[in-house]
Amino acid sequence: NAGVTQTPKFQVLKTGQSMTLQCAQDMNHNSMYWYRQDPGMGLRLIYYSASEGTTDKGEVPNGYNVSRLNKREFSLRLESAAPSQTSVYFCASSGGGASYEQYFGPGTRLTVT
Amino acid sequence: GDSVTQMEGPVTLSEEAFLTINCTYTATGYPSLFWYVQYPGEGLQLLLKATKADDKGSNKGFEATYRKETTSFHLEKGSVQVSDSAVYFCALSSGSARQLTFGSGTQLTVLP
Repeated sequence: NAGVTQTPKFQVLKTGQSMTLQCAQDMNHNSMYWYRQDPGMGLRLIYYSASEGTTDKGEVPNGYNVSRLNKREFSLRLESAAPSQTSVYFCASSGGGASYEQYFGPGTRLTVT
Repeated sequence: GDSVTQMEGPVTLSEEAFLTINCTYTATGYPSLFWYVQYPGEGLQLLLKATKADDKGSNKGFEATYRKETTSFHLEKGSVQVSDSAVYFCALSSGSARQLTFGSGTQLTVLP
């Protein structure tokens, strides 16, 4: 049981390049989330998917797109990377229940030069 | 909108000292409250949670009580260890998909 996995672990992009961050969970969770973590700002929600087939914007969606490929997988795409998107990206999933506890992946450290 | 304010760090303590990290929140409705911990180079791990007023979450010697009257969820530990050195995040869940709103994090360093 791997939990939440993310690929790649590290990535360097040049301004204007595109890339997709992959996330998968094996806990049969309905909800999945993408966050970015910047120094001194905690984690901020980019997009989320409450269930397979639905996606919604979070606090900081500009410059990103997402795809909920199936129940297991939720990808984050940067179409034209900008230095302001340099950050650590975390994927999380939740199975619901009374607390909607979220489980996090190990993160992807992205640098845009 | 919802928000979480937590004690700014960094916090440096000696081993076996008492720890308090303050957390207050603003939310509509009745959110669940969480403390997450992040060790260097790793993702976030759930430390403890509380789902309703007066609930006390506890784990690994850490405790926090959901106080609706003061909108607070302060983290405490009676005797910290070097291995507790990490960044601690207070968070609340709300919205249709219970998305998390995080505080800015508190860096804790425990010296031997």
